[in-house]
Amino acid sequence: KAGVTQTPRYLIKTRGQQVTLSCSPISGHRSVSWYQQTPGQGLQFLFEYFSETQRNKGNFPGRFSGRQFSNSRSEMNVSTLELGDSALYLCASSLGGTSGYNEQFFGPGTRLTVL
Amino acid sequence: DAKTTQPNSMESNEEEPVHLPCNHSTISGTDYIHWYRQLPSQGPEYVIHGLTSNVNNRMASLAIAEDRKSSTLILHRATLRDAAVYYCIERGSQGNLIFGKGTKLSVKP
Repeated sequence: KAGVTQTPRYLIKTRGQQVTLSCSPISGHRSVSWYQQTPGQGLQFLFEYFSETQRNKGNFPGRFSGRQFSNSRSEMNVSTLELGDSALYLCASSLGGTSGYNEQFFGPGTRLTVL
Repeated sequence: DAKTTQPNSMESNEEEPVHLPCNHSTISGTDYIHWYRQLPSQGPEYVIHGLTSNVNNRMASLAIAEDRKSSTLILHRATLRDAAVYYCIERGSQGNLIFGKGTKLSVKP
């Protein structure tokens, strides 16, 4: 089975711009979660999508948004970029069911640099 | 905020066992303890999880205290490829994984 893929792997943007990151989950997985990783704050949960609906949301401003398509692929968008948005953005997929254990499989991440 | 506490760093010699401790004193009775690790320049990967009983898989063993307030991840024979940041994790109220700072494990040849 192919793993979780994220595109692009690296991105450089300037302040004020917007950016869209893409995540393709493992085949059959219906849940996609997004995390932001920075040296200062570590790994922080952004949001989770399940069957095209946002199921959970972390404590990030509205500039961070996402969506999920019918094939479970997900995108996250950050508008009006700030220097502090420079981070590694990680996507994780899982089966997403509410019973049993849902192991999360992480992609390699997209490294976003805001200048 | 993270609900677990771990040492910032640990060192091990290659081929020796490693015991990585974690405190999770506020864990509820129905929450799993999860361990993930993150190798350099990679996303986190699942290691093991458990609820009450000790657990073993091909990567590691997980020893959970009887009161569930702490657990220990055991790597039976550390290799250089085990050098990573190890995260002991609880799930948040929304079901998401809450990562702390983790323990950076260094393995010396």
